[in-house]
Amino acid sequence: QLHLQESGPGLLKPSETLSLVCDVSGGSVNTPAYYWSWLRQFPGRGPEWIGYIYYSGSADYSRSLFGRAAISLDTSKNQVSLTMTSVTEADSAVYFCARQEIVGAGWFDPWGQGIRVTVSS
Amino acid sequence: LVLTQSPATLSLSPGESAALSCRASQNIDIYLAWYQQKPGQAPRLLIFDVSNRAPGLPARFRGSGSGTDFSLTISSLEPEDSAVYYCQQRGTFGGGTKLEIK
Repeated sequence: QLHLQESGPGLLKPSETLSLVCDVSGGSVNTPAYYWSWLRQFPGRGPEWIGYIYYSGSADYSRSLFGRAAISLDTSKNQVSLTMTSVTEADSAVYFCARQEIVGAGWFDPWGQGIRVTVSS
Repeated sequence: LVLTQSPATLSLSPGESAALSCRASQNIDIYLAWYQQKPGQAPRLLIFDVSNRAPGLPARFRGSGSGTDFSLTISSLEPEDSAVYYCQQRGTFGGGTKLEIK
């Protein structure tokens, strides 16, 4: 059974770079069958898609992040990483990694448990 | 694409049925998924491509619709169905419906 687990610093200062890692077990990230995505969720809001990466290295990102996000794959460690530059307090949220279906509705399943990130001076 | 969910909150009793709505701002054919999220947990996939139940999901969860109007119907409500439910199509999520079972 596929399992995803996020890790990284829970507290950052404004203008710093956020770096999160998603450890994937029970399956390989090096597969043409799925995308690997990052999402975040603010309190009381629906999840917000940040972006995805494909095994080929191609990626797509939400335009709302204005180029601040980058997602990468480490197939040797079976990990998916998120980097987000120049964070502000508005980036404080719970961040999730998830496997994303390529076709149809592009649903997300499974999800990691999430990691809370707080940006504060 | 904007997904608008209604109602924002729904309060029902055990055994009753719940009808949750998701309206898309443009035609998305049958490409819609539904999730359940409980406090402190990640969203859990319930339904994909309108009406396909995730493995292990009871048949009392039923998705329907096409084009711009979609519904998630939960029959024979149980207390553990209390959660927030989201619809989703690719990178877009709805704002959620909070279902309370009292």
